[in-house]
Amino acid sequence: DAGVTQSPTHLIKTRGQQVTLRCSPKSGHDTVSWYQQALGQGPQFIFQYYEEEERQRGNFPDRFSGHQFPNYSSELNVNALLLGDSALYLCASSPDGQGLYGYTFGSGTRLTVV
Amino acid sequence: AQKITQTQPGMFVQEKEAVTLDCTYDTSDPSYGLFWYKQPSSGEMIFLIYQGSYDQQNATEGRYSLNFQKARKSANLVISASQLGDSAMYFCAMSFYNQGGKLIFGQGTELSVKP
Repeated sequence: DAGVTQSPTHLIKTRGQQVTLRCSPKSGHDTVSWYQQALGQGPQFIFQYYEEEERQRGNFPDRFSGHQFPNYSSELNVNALLLGDSALYLCASSPDGQGLYGYTFGSGTRLTVV
Repeated sequence: AQKITQTQPGMFVQEKEAVTLDCTYDTSDPSYGLFWYKQPSSGEMIFLIYQGSYDQQNATEGRYSLNFQKARKSANLVISASQLGDSAMYFCAMSFYNQGGKLIFGQGTELSVKP
């Protein structure tokens, strides 16, 4: 049973560019959340998608946007990249959105902005 | 304010010994869940254990147990019989039942197991 799959694993972008990260949730999970983890820090919640809509959002600017598809997979888009956007981006899925049964995380996409 | 605090940036433990990783939290919401995750160098967050705020007993999962002291707002992780493969970052996290389930993480503790 595949867990959460993220692509790509690594990415290097230039300041000002745009990037799209992808996530396929664990089978049976319908809720997808995205987190940003800067080096040496704990993950920070970006937003959560359920039924193809953004249900909850953390303290991130509008440059960060997302989408959820009918098959529950999700994309994270970041526009006008800044050096400070360099981080590990983690996707997590859950079957209930409340995390009562735990969240399953992917291995992340490591984004470097130069 | 809702916050998780992990005061131990790094810990060392001898193989086969037990170790306790500290976690305190701050919230006025009575309904919440507490999680511990392990993050090896590969980056993936691995779920270890969960404790609900209304659970009467401390959670246990194999070698992992959670020492939940609600009045003190602490949720320490105890790893028994440490193994070399336990070397990793460990994160304590919290979610709220009526807030859509987003996780709030602490800063993490880096555990190193010595042979």
